[in-house]
Formats: sequence, C-alpha cells, structure tokens
Amino acid sequence: AQKVTQAQTEISVVEKEDVTLDCVYETRDTTYYLFWYKQPPSGELVFLIRRNSFDEQNEISGRYSWNFQKSTSSFNFTITASQVVDSAVYFCALSEFNTGGFKTIFGAGTRLFVKA
Amino acid sequence: SAVISQKPSRDICQRGTSLTIQCQVDSQVTMMFWYRQQPGQSLTLIATANQGSEATYESGFVIDKFPISRPNLTFSTLTVSNMSPEDSSIYLCSVGPETQYFGPGTRLLVL
Repeated sequence: AQKVTQAQTEISVVEKEDVTLDCVYETRDTTYYLFWYKQPPSGELVFLIRRNSFDEQNEISGRYSWNFQKSTSSFNFTITASQVVDSAVYFCALSEFNTGGFKTIFGAGTRLFVKA
Repeated sequence: SAVISQKPSRDICQRGTSLTIQCQVDSQVTMMFWYRQQPGQSLTLIATANQGSEATYESGFVIDKFPISRPNLTFSTLTVSNMSPEDSSIYLCSVGPETQYFGPGTRLLVL
C-alpha cells in the first residue's frame, strides 16, 4: 500500500539557515512519481518538482534541491539560505498508476517557519 | 501548466444546506480530481471526476454526500450536501494525470 511519511511536523529556522525537509515513502510499484508541493498561508498548492522512479538524479533549482534515494525510499528537500518567503507548509506526495488511473497520496506536511 | 479557477473562493453556510463548488480549467484535461483539506491537515482525495461517466469515489466518500459532475473536459462541480460543521474544510480541485496542478481552493465554513 502507498504511504508517505513526513516525520517533521514543524521546523523553525532563522533566515539564511539551510533546512532539509524529510520524506519517506512506501510503495510496491516499480513505477511511480514523487512530488513536492508548497502551500503558503494564502492556501494555494504550488507544484515544485516531480521525479519518476527511474530517475534518481538529484536536482537543483535555485535555492531548492532534492535528493532522491530509492535505497532508503526517501525524497528529501533542502532549502539553502532560507528566506521569510519560504515560510509555508510543504507536502511530499506519491503517485502510482492503477486501474482507475493515477492515484496520489500526500504526506501530513511539514510547516516551515523562517524567522527574520 | 493549466490555469484553474474555482468558485466560490469562500463561503459560510448553515448546517443542513448544500453548496456547489465549480472548477474551470483553461484547457482540456483528461483527469480532474477533488480533494478535501480539513483545518491543519493534509489533503484527502474525495473522488476522480470522469468525463461522461460517474465519478470514482475513495473509501469514506459517497455520491449522496458529494455528488460530482463533469460535463466536459474543462469543467467540474462538487456539491457538499446536507452540510454539518465537520464539513468545514478547504475543497480543492486539481487536474492531471501524472502531475497534479491545483486550483486556488474553496474555503467552506459551516455553522
């Protein structure tokens, strides 16, 4: 069965610190997608990244980087030099294809506070 | 990515009433989904809205409570029926298939 665990409920950092958000997943499928979404206080969900199960290459986008390791079933997200605008809830998600189409489940989310 | 709009953006309703939420996409999409996000919680999938056929509901959600329509490839509605305070949530529509993009959400408060 699918499962996504974000063990960190809340993280508080001071601006310019680096912070890593952890995500551990469970799946029996060999083909799946992993995602990170950001939900700022305004409430909309913003797509950040998608990784498929066959692509373990790490990715960097500006201050954001993602580390995908199938050996540990983890897909961690690092923000370098955090800023106040990074304050949000971050969700990790897992998507598998089944008979009804793609089904996505979300982790519980990690609330990040970045203090000035 | 598609541009998704939802109406209403927020509403306050009395218990026992129903509210219909609209989701409009600026391009044709194969898959549309409806999620619920209860206060301080994660997202839970309510159903997949299928064009031209009945929606596929997840465990714990039934058509009588959450009827869904999808008359074409750019539009869907979710109705929250016979509301109670426990239905107070953010309701989000999203489009897929592989990567889901979300609408801005509808914040519902039931008194």
